[in-house]
Amino acid sequence: DAGVIQSPRHEVTEMGQEVTLRCKPISGHDYLFWYRQTMMRGLELLIYFNNNVPIDDSGMPEDRFSAKMPNASFSTLKIQPSEPRDSAVYFCASSFYRDGGGYNEQFFGPGTRLTVL
Amino acid sequence: AQSVTQLDSQVPVFEEAPVELRCNYSSSVSVYLFWYVQYPNQGLQLLLKYLSGSTLVKGINGFEAEFNKSQTSFHLRKPSVHISDTAEYFCAVRKGSGGYQKVTFGTGTKLQVIP
Repeated sequence: DAGVIQSPRHEVTEMGQEVTLRCKPISGHDYLFWYRQTMMRGLELLIYFNNNVPIDDSGMPEDRFSAKMPNASFSTLKIQPSEPRDSAVYFCASSFYRDGGGYNEQFFGPGTRLTVL
Repeated sequence: AQSVTQLDSQVPVFEEAPVELRCNYSSSVSVYLFWYVQYPNQGLQLLLKYLSGSTLVKGINGFEAEFNKSQTSFHLRKPSVHISDTAEYFCAVRKGSGGYQKVTFGTGTKLQVIP
C-alpha cells in the first residue's frame, strides 16, 4: 500500500483565498483524522471521521474551516477565507479498529505545509 | 479524560550515548500507550506501543519503552543513539477499553544527536 497520500505537499496562498487540502487514506481504514501542527501549539486534532461520518469536530478552530469525506477513499479540509495565522503543517492520518484487533495505531501522511501571506 | 505530559521539549545527547525521553500520563482507567517519531519534513510514524502483557516493549530502530503503572510513566530509551535518530518524539495515550477511543498526543520532545 502507498500509505496515506496528501496533496498538495506545499501550498502558498494569499490572505482571503480559499485553500483545499486533500487526503487519501489507506485502503480498508475506517477512521480518518485531520491534524494541525505549529511551533506554538504543537499537534492538534481538528476533526475525525468514522466510516465517512464526522464524529468529533470540536478541534476545528473556526467556521472558516470545514472538512468533508464524500467516500472511504477521499477527504478534504477547506479553509475559506484563509488567514496568516492558519499557516501550519496539516496532517491527515488513518486508522482502523476491530474488536479483537487493530488498536488505534494511526498512519500519518507526509503533511501539507500551508503558508498564508 | 486522559492526558500525557512530556516534560522535556528538547534533549541533546552525544552520538553513541544512551538516551531516555520521559512521558507521564494521567488516567483513571487502563490505557494503551504509544511512541511516535517524526523525522524532519515527514509525518509521524509508530515506534512502539503498549497494549497489555510485558511492561517492556521493544520497537523499531533499537528503541524500547517501559510501562510503569505505579508511576504512570512510559519512558522511551535507547542504549546508544545514532545521528539518524535526530527527530521529534511524541508520546500518546488512549483509553484501553470501550471500543474506539481518541488518542491524545503529548507536546513532543526534540532529540538532537550531537556528533
